[in-house]
Amino acid sequence: AQTVTQSQPEMSVQEAETVTLSCTYDTSESDYYLFWYKQPPSRQMILVIRQEAYKQQNATENRFSVNFQKAAKSFSLKISDSQLGDAAMYFCALVAFYGGSQGNLIFGKGTKLSVKP
Amino acid sequence: NAGVTQTPKFQVLKTGQSMTLQCAQDMNHNSMYWYRQDPGMGLRLIYYSASEGTTDKGEVPNGYNVSRLNKREFSLRLESAAPSQTSVYFCASSLRQGPLNTEAFFGQGTRLTVV
Repeated sequence: AQTVTQSQPEMSVQEAETVTLSCTYDTSESDYYLFWYKQPPSRQMILVIRQEAYKQQNATENRFSVNFQKAAKSFSLKISDSQLGDAAMYFCALVAFYGGSQGNLIFGKGTKLSVKP
Repeated sequence: NAGVTQTPKFQVLKTGQSMTLQCAQDMNHNSMYWYRQDPGMGLRLIYYSASEGTTDKGEVPNGYNVSRLNKREFSLRLESAAPSQTSVYFCASSLRQGPLNTEAFFGQGTRLTVV
């Protein structure tokens, strides 16, 4: 069984500052992908960043970067120079491959990020 | 590009009523999914269809049925709605064709209230 755990139900950051959202996961598969999705008040689910487990280099997308610690099964999201538009729910998610076949996308419970002006 | 389209966006049902949530994707994706989102619970998988012609239960399938009508469309049916089914429902799709096509695309969600 796979699990994704987000231990911070809510976080707050000052505009222009940096914030890190935590995520831990568990899977017995060696081939898997990790994701961070953003859900603003509009409800739309938006992919923020993706990390392949076989890549040692941490993924980055503009102001968003991850700290992928494979041995610790940790996958945190760092948002630099936070903007008001970053305020949203953030979900960590995992998809694993079983013998080459893709499993389903499993989500954590989410972290609500507030950005203070 | 419409992506994933869900209808309706909002719905209020009385306990015991039935309804079908519709979902269509225009990306030629193989797989489609139905999730429900509840406060503090994240998104939980109700049913999925890995490919046209197949459907399987997810984490929380009780009280729901699905139909993969064709490659584009995947509907979710509540036969006898209960207040516990009050939730936001998301349809999603993915190509699901190897490690390079893992991303899921989501519809805008349906807010369902059962009174």
